[in-house]
Amino acid sequence: QKEVEQDPGPLSVPEGAIVSLNCTYSNSAFQYFMWYRQYSRKGPELLMYTYSSGNKEDGRFTAQVDKSSKYISLFIRDSQPSDSATYLCAMVPSGGGADGLTFGKGTHLIIQP
Amino acid sequence: ETGVTQSPTHLIKTRGQQVTLRCSSQSGHNTVSWYQQALGQGPQFIFQYYREEENGRGNFPPRFSGLQFPNYSSELNVNALELDDSALYLCASSPDRDEQYFGPGTRLTVT
Repeated sequence: QKEVEQDPGPLSVPEGAIVSLNCTYSNSAFQYFMWYRQYSRKGPELLMYTYSSGNKEDGRFTAQVDKSSKYISLFIRDSQPSDSATYLCAMVPSGGGADGLTFGKGTHLIIQP
Repeated sequence: ETGVTQSPTHLIKTRGQQVTLRCSSQSGHNTVSWYQQALGQGPQFIFQYYREEENGRGNFPPRFSGLQFPNYSSELNVNALELDDSALYLCASSPDRDEQYFGPGTRLTVT
């Protein structure tokens, strides 16, 4: 079992829909959680960063963390064609640093105009 | 834009050769990490440097080595290239050790 599981998709939804992206993890040492967006042949772009259970909102994006279930989610409201990309979840143990980020495989998201 | 730059954008090498990839971090970011991303996979942690010292390493062999310089630049060196080393190599800089900002990557092809 991989430390971080993420459905690779592709996930295809119509423009304007609410998108839900999810990751599960097995290592209870993970305490800091990130979501990155990666366009084809580009570097990952940091979207959300959180370290506590609950919700964190930034514009159309909401990150949700449930440490008891080892489950994190990213919600995208009013999805746009420009949101079409691969979304990567990443996490790191408390204190981070020396272990580096552990990533999921990424979910390929397609927003249909 | 993250302010993290990498060079070259892409390059082609032959199996057995050596390669050096370069990264320029954001000013003030004392931590730089390097990752390998194979096609269709998430990035895999290679190692991390903090104030010019390696302070963490993933599951990569010693032929992957690095340097960090005082001017916020860094290098990833790979010796004895293998076909499986073909990937996108990413560097990420950080003001602390968790929130990491990635560069555009260098695409390496080994033939």
